[in-house]
Amino acid sequence: AQTVTQSQPEMSVQEAETVTLSCTYDTSESDYYLFWYKQPPSRQMILVIRQEAYKQQNATENRFSVNFQKAAKSFSLKISDSQLGDAAMYFCAYRSAYRDDKIIFGKGTRLHILP
Amino acid sequence: EADIYQTPRYLVIGTGKKITLECSQTMGHDKMYWYQQDPGMELHLIHYSYGVNSTEKGDLSSESTVSRIRTEHFPLTLESARPSHTSQYLCASSEDTALGVLSLQETQYFGPGTRLLVL
Repeated sequence: AQTVTQSQPEMSVQEAETVTLSCTYDTSESDYYLFWYKQPPSRQMILVIRQEAYKQQNATENRFSVNFQKAAKSFSLKISDSQLGDAAMYFCAYRSAYRDDKIIFGKGTRLHILP
Repeated sequence: EADIYQTPRYLVIGTGKKITLECSQTMGHDKMYWYQQDPGMELHLIHYSYGVNSTEKGDLSSESTVSRIRTEHFPLTLESARPSHTSQYLCASSEDTALGVLSLQETQYFGPGTRLLVL
């Protein structure tokens, strides 16, 4: 069975600085999707960034980028120029490309932005 | 922007009441999901549906039931609410993108959630 591990329950970063959230996963499959979701306090969960496992190039979305290391099964999220609005719970997630039933989520990392 | 709605957003009820949490999406997605999430914790899948008249149990055992009579609507029902049902319930939907023999899943879009408190 696939698992997703986020080893940092909480992190803090100074506004305008860069922070990296860690995520590792375990799977025997060769094709899959990886996601980072953001869940602000009491608000809707939204997709931040997505990576297809067959793509070697790391995905980027404005200030958000990932470091995808397939061999190491690592999928970290880097947030550059942190803003107060980035404060949220961040979930790393895995979805198989072969099974169409569910996404597997990590336990989340709560990110605090210090003004 | 995703159009997926949940009502009510907040609900406080007494033990033993029957409740239905509504979820609707206007994107025409076939797949829909219900997750249960305690504050600051991971999401647990409790139900999902591949399409109309299709419902499946998720990873986390739940006393709730679901139905899928229309593509856009995926309500969750608790026949007799208990304090242990207190949690946040998130609904999501996703679109299939078929490519060759594999069905490659696109992202899930989440609703705003329903916070349930059972006294």
